Amino acid sequence: DIQMTQSPSSLSAFVGDRVTITCRASQNIIIYLNWYKQNPGKAPNLLIYAASSLQSGVPSRFSGSGSGTDFTLTISNLQPEDFATYYCQQSHRPPITFGQGTRLEI
Amino acid sequence: QVQLQESGPGLVKPSETLSLTCTVSGDSISNFYWSWIRQPPGKGLEWIGYIYYTGSTRSNPSLKSRVSLSAETSKNQFSLRLSSVSAADTAVYFCARDAGTGIGIFDSWGQGTMITVSS
Repeated sequence: DIQMTQSPSSLSAFVGDRVTITCRASQNIIIYLNWYKQNPGKAPNLLIYAASSLQSGVPSRFSGSGSGTDFTLTISNLQPEDFATYYCQQSHRPPITFGQGTRLEI
Repeated sequence: QVQLQESGPGLVKPSETLSLTCTVSGDSISNFYWSWIRQPPGKGLEWIGYIYYTGSTRSNPSLKSRVSLSAETSKNQFSLRLSSVSAADTAVYFCARDAGTGIGIFDSWGQGTMITVSS
């Protein structure tokens, strides 16, 4: 299985800040990397697919980059509704696997 | 706009079989691949498997021998059966649409249903 490792596991920031979350794959996944946001008690919501493509309806302050084994999710100008848990997920090779999550706290 | 709704028993006894159904509205299940994903309380996400309306399936090897997936196009539903459950199977179970034709780009999710395994 492809192991996905996110860092940091938790992160504190202020409204208006810019933050970066990192995701590392245990092998080359090219650009088959997706990012999700999950609010407590809710289902995850797709933010970014194929490493850098913004899902329809997602604010442009979210951006993704990377290829191979190293990827980043950047959130600019943090808004109160951005404080949640973020997951990366590889879609290169089954079984589909997720990172352990990064909790972004205000 | 597509909507997904999981339905299930809530409580399952150890060693029994868990059965869940996902009802899809606003889209035909014939148009996409559909997955089950679960999340134990306070933990991360685990992909269980996917099904295509033709009956083609793929499951996570960690669960493969216990997982059975099916689809019923006439009802626009797909289902999960997980046998020989234990406390480790206690989780919120989500169904999701795969916009990536089986590779795993989950663009729509159900709200999730909590399943507790306990006697």
